[in-house]
Amino acid sequence: GEDVEQSLFLSVREGDSSVINCTYTDSSSTYLYWYKQEPGAGLQLLTYIFSNMDMKQDQRLTVLLNKKDKHLSLRIADTQTGDSAIYFCAESRSGGYNKLIFGAGTRLAVHP
Amino acid sequence: DTEVTQTPKHLVMGMTNKKSLKCEQHMGHRAMYWYKQKAKKPPELMFVYSYEKLSINESVPSRFSPECPNSSLLNLHLHALQPEDSALYLCASSQETGNYEQYFGPGTRLTVT
Repeated sequence: GEDVEQSLFLSVREGDSSVINCTYTDSSSTYLYWYKQEPGAGLQLLTYIFSNMDMKQDQRLTVLLNKKDKHLSLRIADTQTGDSAIYFCAESRSGGYNKLIFGAGTRLAVHP
Repeated sequence: DTEVTQTPKHLVMGMTNKKSLKCEQHMGHRAMYWYKQKAKKPPELMFVYSYEKLSINESVPSRFSPECPNSSLLNLHLHALQPEDSALYLCASSQETGNYEQYFGPGTRLTVT
């Protein structure tokens, strides 16, 4: 199928780590992306990973890719209230133009 | 600078009105995109422009008419819309089509009455 799947909701305590999971479908996808969307705003590109990598770290963000299981995760260390948002994973389908297939988004709620 | 700007931020229009949404980027990107996002849903691709030419139309109704006057600007002309067209309209750009990261603007919140 075409679906990129994510759990819909995650609640964490401020200061803890958050892990947002995603499964994708196209084994030929070359890039996988994480976007953040705050209420009423556009999408902010957080990070991306190339399919020949299994991990990428960028400050508080760590992306893990298990290509065999088509599983992607985003770990946010020391989660802050400003991290509360919807997080979308997206795969870039191969062939022609860069069609991004988005998951439904995971709403991250950070509480004190 | 990875900024994509969109105007207006909010737009309310009647079903008989004609209006336009505007998008601008100065990153030298040659691919630009329009997406539609309904509440609590992910963005859905509408159109792709590559080097100022329309390359993809994802079966969008003709009441939405895109235009790319130059490499920095992308417009979306709206005419005879329906209430179900109310959504957040997002513009994005990337260096080219293919595997380049897309940068999104803040969106225009459109309400059709």
